[in-house]
Amino acid sequence: DSGVTQTPKHLITATGQRVTLRCSPRSGDLSVYWYQQSLDQGLQFLIQYYNGEERAKGNILERFSAQQFPDLHSELNLSSLELGDSALYFCASSVEGNLYNEQFFGPGTRLTVL
Amino acid sequence: AQSVTQLDSQVPVFEEAPVELRCNYSSSVSVYLFWYVQYPNQGLQLLLKYLSGSTLVESINGFEAEFNKSQTSFHLRKPSVHISDTAEYFCAVSDLRAQKLVFGQGTRLTINP
Repeated sequence: DSGVTQTPKHLITATGQRVTLRCSPRSGDLSVYWYQQSLDQGLQFLIQYYNGEERAKGNILERFSAQQFPDLHSELNLSSLELGDSALYFCASSVEGNLYNEQFFGPGTRLTVL
Repeated sequence: AQSVTQLDSQVPVFEEAPVELRCNYSSSVSVYLFWYVQYPNQGLQLLLKYLSGSTLVESINGFEAEFNKSQTSFHLRKPSVHISDTAEYFCAVSDLRAQKLVFGQGTRLTINP
C-alpha cells in the first residue's frame, strides 16, 4: 500500500460524458502527478500540482483539467469523453516537486468509455 | 527533450535464470534514472534509482541496474528470477527542463516454472 488513494476504482461511461477522478496523496506529500496508461500510448504524464499550484504540464488534452485543493487532494476532470480516452489513470504523490524525489503511485482508476 | 527506449516489450525466462531488461535514454544533460515495477492490477512502485555517485544501484529484492553514461544505458539485471518477479517494468528518465518523468513503453517479464 503506497498510501495514495484513488476513487473510483472503475468507471464506465458513455462518449460525450464528463467524469471526475479523485486522488488523495500520502500524508505530508505536497506534490501530485496525474498519468494516463493506455495500450497504444504507454504511460504518459499529464499534469503536476505542487501545494495547490500547477507545476508542470505534459500531454494533457484541452478537454481535461485538474486542480489541487487546500487539503492537497486532487481531482482530474475529463469532459466530452471519446472512446480513445479509455485507459488507466494513475495519480502519484511526492514530498516535494523535485524529480529526484520518489513518486508514490496510487492503484489507479480504470476508465472505460463506451 | 529526453526519451527512453526499452528494447524488449516482452521477456520470457525460466525461474532461477538470469534476466536483463534493457533501457536506453537520450539526454544532453545530467539525468536521474529510475526503474519502476507494476505488478498485476497494481500501481507502479519504485524499484531503484540513480541520482549520482556509484553507477551500480541495487534494490532490496535482488535487482540491480548500472548507469552507463557512454552508452546512455540503464539496464536492469537480476541473477536469478522468481515467479513473484512477474510484472511489467518501466524505465524512466527525468526531464529537468519540462519537470517531468519520461517513461519507456515497459517490458513485460514473465517467469516460466
